[in-house]
Amino acid sequence: DVKVTQSSRYLVKRTGEKVFLECVQDMDHENMFWYRQDPGLGLRLIYFSYDVKMKEKGDIPEGYSVSREKKERFSLILESASTNQTSMYLCASRDGQGAGQPQHFGDGTRLSIL
Amino acid sequence: AQSVTQLDSQVPVFEEAPVELRCNYSSSVSVYLFWYVQYPNQGLQLLLKYLSGSTLVKGINGFEAEFNKSQTSFHLRKPSVHISDTAEYFCAVIITGTASKLTFGTGTRLQVTL
Repeated sequence: DVKVTQSSRYLVKRTGEKVFLECVQDMDHENMFWYRQDPGLGLRLIYFSYDVKMKEKGDIPEGYSVSREKKERFSLILESASTNQTSMYLCASRDGQGAGQPQHFGDGTRLSIL
Repeated sequence: AQSVTQLDSQVPVFEEAPVELRCNYSSSVSVYLFWYVQYPNQGLQLLLKYLSGSTLVKGINGFEAEFNKSQTSFHLRKPSVHISDTAEYFCAVIITGTASKLTFGTGTRLQVTL
């Protein structure tokens, strides 16, 4: 089974801090994704990566950046955290062979910015 | 661009009753369709997917969905629900033959009670 591991289940940070959310997958998947999930809004794509050192903006990239130095690891960075970035963050990975391949999700990081 | 509409934000149902969760999509080209389930405090898990072929797709946990191209719908059904089916359900769509960006609906909360 595919395993996508997010480093923290719960995280509390302060406004203005630089925040790192880490995600690791163990299936050698090419594609990786970061979403945020908010009540009534579903999942919104922040950034995604087709392969190592590649990244593409999603629908809501403002205030975020990403890093993919190794195939198995995809990091989401909040450059200067703000209260409106309090949310649930979900990481996913996917085999890059074909659009019909499903995404596999981690259990999420619930981030609170005070 | 494609979009997904889940009209029902919440669906209450008694145990052993049938349920249908509605999903409509908008796209001018052909798509692949997915249903994911999210149990409390967990990430998303694939229930089923439609890529091609038979329009009736069977998934895990007794769920099934029917692709209706003329009505651009992909409704999820289960003939008899269990308390353990209480969760949030997300419909998602991706355009065939394109980059791997899924578009999610806003989710439907299924609440099963005795």
